[in-house]
Amino acid sequence: AQSVAQPEDQVNVAEGNPLTVKCTYSVSGNPYLFWYVQYPNRGLQFLLKYITGDNLVKGSYGFEAEFNKSQTSFHLKKPSALVSDSALYFCAVRDEGGATNKLIFGTGTLLAVQP
Amino acid sequence: KAGVTQTPRYLIKTRGQQVTLSCSPISGHRSVSWYQQTPGQGLQFLFEYFSETQRNKGNFPGRFSGRQFSNSRSEMNVSTLELGDSALYLCASRSTGTNVNEQFFGPGTRLTVL
Repeated sequence: AQSVAQPEDQVNVAEGNPLTVKCTYSVSGNPYLFWYVQYPNRGLQFLLKYITGDNLVKGSYGFEAEFNKSQTSFHLKKPSALVSDSALYFCAVRDEGGATNKLIFGTGTLLAVQP
Repeated sequence: KAGVTQTPRYLIKTRGQQVTLSCSPISGHRSVSWYQQTPGQGLQFLFEYFSETQRNKGNFPGRFSGRQFSNSRSEMNVSTLELGDSALYLCASRSTGTNVNEQFFGPGTRLTVL
């Protein structure tokens, strides 16, 4: 069964430094991968997706993610972190089973950006 | 365009009661999915509807049910509430087409079962 893993419960970074939030996936076919962000008491906001094509995907708010097939990874990155980036980040993969939009989420990584 | 709206935003119920949550998707979106978010289990898929038909269902007991109306609005119902049903319930809508499009989530309904 397909899955995603986010190995870090929390990532701490200083404002202005680059940030990386890690995600690895396990699928039998071609993965459809997504990153979402959740601010306190809010729903999930879409950041970016990888379907096919260029391995470097650019998304909202200056975020980007690099798809690496050999390492089965889809890490989220940003060159310069902002305090306002502090939030809970989820990696997700679309279920491969038939015609469905079901997303399988990782456990989430709390990003804390210190001023 | 207005986003996905969910009502109510907060609910407090007692064990054994039932509850109905509502979701209005983005205009033009016909696919609606529901997820449960808890600290222990994370985000888990409940069900998905498209054109009033349930297309997929997660691994939840039969106490959890849903439906979709002709205007694409969706409701989910939980009967005989248990303490463990306390969670944030998120609804997501998606536009249809040949591309794999992202889902847009509502703010959620926070259900507390006492």
